[in-house]
Amino acid sequence: GNSVTQMEGPVTLSEEAFLTINCTYTATGYPSLFWYVQYPGEGLQLLLKATKADDKGSNKGFEATYRKETTSFHLEKGSVQVSDSAVYFCALAISGGYNKLIFGAGTRLAVHP
Amino acid sequence: KAGVTQTPRYLIKTRGQQVTLSCSPISGHRSVSWYQQTPGQGLQFLFEYFSETQRNKGNFPGRFSGRQFSNSRSEMNVSTLELGDSALYLCASSSDGNTEAFFGQGTRLTVV
Repeated sequence: GNSVTQMEGPVTLSEEAFLTINCTYTATGYPSLFWYVQYPGEGLQLLLKATKADDKGSNKGFEATYRKETTSFHLEKGSVQVSDSAVYFCALAISGGYNKLIFGAGTRLAVHP
Repeated sequence: KAGVTQTPRYLIKTRGQQVTLSCSPISGHRSVSWYQQTPGQGLQFLFEYFSETQRNKGNFPGRFSGRQFSNSRSEMNVSTLELGDSALYLCASSSDGNTEAFFGQGTRLTVV
């Protein structure tokens, strides 16, 4: 079946540290891949996306590259800020699966000054 | 452009009761999806409506139902509430043919 696996959190970093959150997927067909972020008490916000192999999604200093050969979509940021503290979700949507997103378990990030 | 609006934001119900949650999508969006978020199960897809028709359904019991109106607003209903239905219910809207989904802030349901 289709599934997403994320590294377990929490991830605790100091401000300006490098961030990597690992995400791998299993899917039939050719999925689109997404990273969503959830701040405390809020819904989910789309952070970035990639719709085909080798695409790189980027936004607000975050990047992720769609790697079909390793079925991965790891999230990276070169220098995190305290305001990046949130829960990050990796998700996929199967082509033709309309808007049925399959999410990973989420990774909580805490950034300290 | 207004975002996805969910009402109410918070709700407390008693076991056995039923509840209706509402979602107003972004103007022009015709697809509305619903998700349940719990600490134990994470984010799980409930169902998706497009042009008043249920197009996809997740693995939830029949107590969970939904509908969509001609203006694309959607409601979900949970009957015979159980303690385990306590969760954050998120609604997402997207335009036709585009899998990018925009989420509302959610309705936090507590069943006591």
